[in-house]
Amino acid sequence: EVQLLESGGDLVRPGGSLRLSCVASGFTFNNYAMTWVRQAPGKGLEWVSAISGSDGTTYYADSVKGRFTISRDNSKDTLYLQMDSLRAEDTALYYCAKTIDGCCRFDYWGQGTLVTVSS
Amino acid sequence: DIVMTQTPLSLSVTPGQPASISCRSSQSLLHGDGRTYLYWYMQKPGQSPQPLIHEVSNRFSGVSDRFSGSGSGTDFTLKISRVEAEDVGVYYCMQGIHLPPPTFGQGTKLEIK
Repeated sequence: EVQLLESGGDLVRPGGSLRLSCVASGFTFNNYAMTWVRQAPGKGLEWVSAISGSDGTTYYADSVKGRFTISRDNSKDTLYLQMDSLRAEDTALYYCAKTIDGCCRFDYWGQGTLVTVSS
Repeated sequence: DIVMTQTPLSLSVTPGQPASISCRSSQSLLHGDGRTYLYWYMQKPGQSPQPLIHEVSNRFSGVSDRFSGSGSGTDFTLKISRVEAEDVGVYYCMQGIHLPPPTFGQGTKLEIK
């Protein structure tokens, strides 16, 4: 059974940093790209970042480029999102998603971890 | 970025009746490889999003055949043949051709009458 378990969400002040983790199980982690998608309170879905399975190529939304860094440790079946220079508008529930075909076929989603940026 | 526009933004359907959601993209989603990269996801209240349809009309594994997708180019439709109570939630279309980023529609909220 595929499982994705996010953690690391917290309340942080503007300008602060946070690292999210997503531990995967039930599939061969390094065979798949992984994606972070976020959802601000009461709002829709926003694609944030993605990383390929093997060569680690990364992709970012313009809204987070230069502030967020996606990475993965295939030996630990874990996906990360390092979030720096956080802003109030980054407040959201962050989901990790197993990704087929390198991009947009998200066949499994985690339960999400909440990031709140507020002073 | 590609803009995805869904209509309606909300709909209320009697159980057993059909429902239809439209999604329009600001540019064609037909790739040079012949595939059209349009996806549908839904989010039940209080839950994570879940996959429904990939590449316009292909159901993800385990998705009920009451759900079907159609369309081409810039205009797409998700249909539910007979709405059930468990279908309540928000439905999102998403494009995956003009990257990055993939972009979602605003979402359509489905309620039961």
